[in-house]
Amino acid sequence: DAGVIQSPRHEVTEMGQEVTLRCKPISGHNSLFWYRQTMMRGLELLIYFNNNVPIDDSGMPEDRFSAKMPNASFSTLKIQPSEPRDSAVYFCASNLGGGSGANVLTFGAGSRLTVL
Amino acid sequence: AQSVAQPEDQVNVAEGNPLTVKCTYSVSGNPYLFWYVQYPNRGLQFLLKYITGDNLVKGSYGFEAEFNKSQTSFHLKKPSALVSDSALYFCAVSRLTGGGNKLTFGTGTQLKVEL
Repeated sequence: DAGVIQSPRHEVTEMGQEVTLRCKPISGHNSLFWYRQTMMRGLELLIYFNNNVPIDDSGMPEDRFSAKMPNASFSTLKIQPSEPRDSAVYFCASNLGGGSGANVLTFGAGSRLTVL
Repeated sequence: AQSVAQPEDQVNVAEGNPLTVKCTYSVSGNPYLFWYVQYPNRGLQFLLKYITGDNLVKGSYGFEAEFNKSQTSFHLKKPSALVSDSALYFCAVSRLTGGGNKLTFGTGTQLKVEL
């Protein structure tokens, strides 16, 4: 398996532009997570899905952030409009889920976003 | 609510010496505990986990961690550090029941192993 695949790896954009980050989880994994990592706030859970359904989006910072999972093999995280404070590394991760907290997360390599 | 504390931003150790990276947790009920490692420009990688059973858990690359329920701690250890162990280490917790799949991470500890 190629692991969790994220794109783009790097994105530089200007304030006000729309940003879309993409994630392909590991085949067979039915839970998907979006995390954001910054020096100031560390690793924050933004949202997670179980069987393509959003379960907990309490970490989504504002209405400018939205996430979708239209099918088991694809998810997007969208920021519209983007702001400089959104600059961070965004990680997607997946696991077998099923409601168990024991399952190990597999992380993608991350998407580094810079908003100028 | 569940939380993890990693009290040290950075740990420095000489190669060949034992290392400890500290972690304490707070969760209602019984915890699942994890350690992950992050190398520069990479995603987090799983090292080891505690679910139940033996308090001493062995993981990848010679790392181990000891679960201490009375002290609510899950410190990461290695008997002999290598320069290649230098990385950012994260402790994480989820709940045994009722917590679903939500994993909460600590702020991370930068481990630096020097020759």
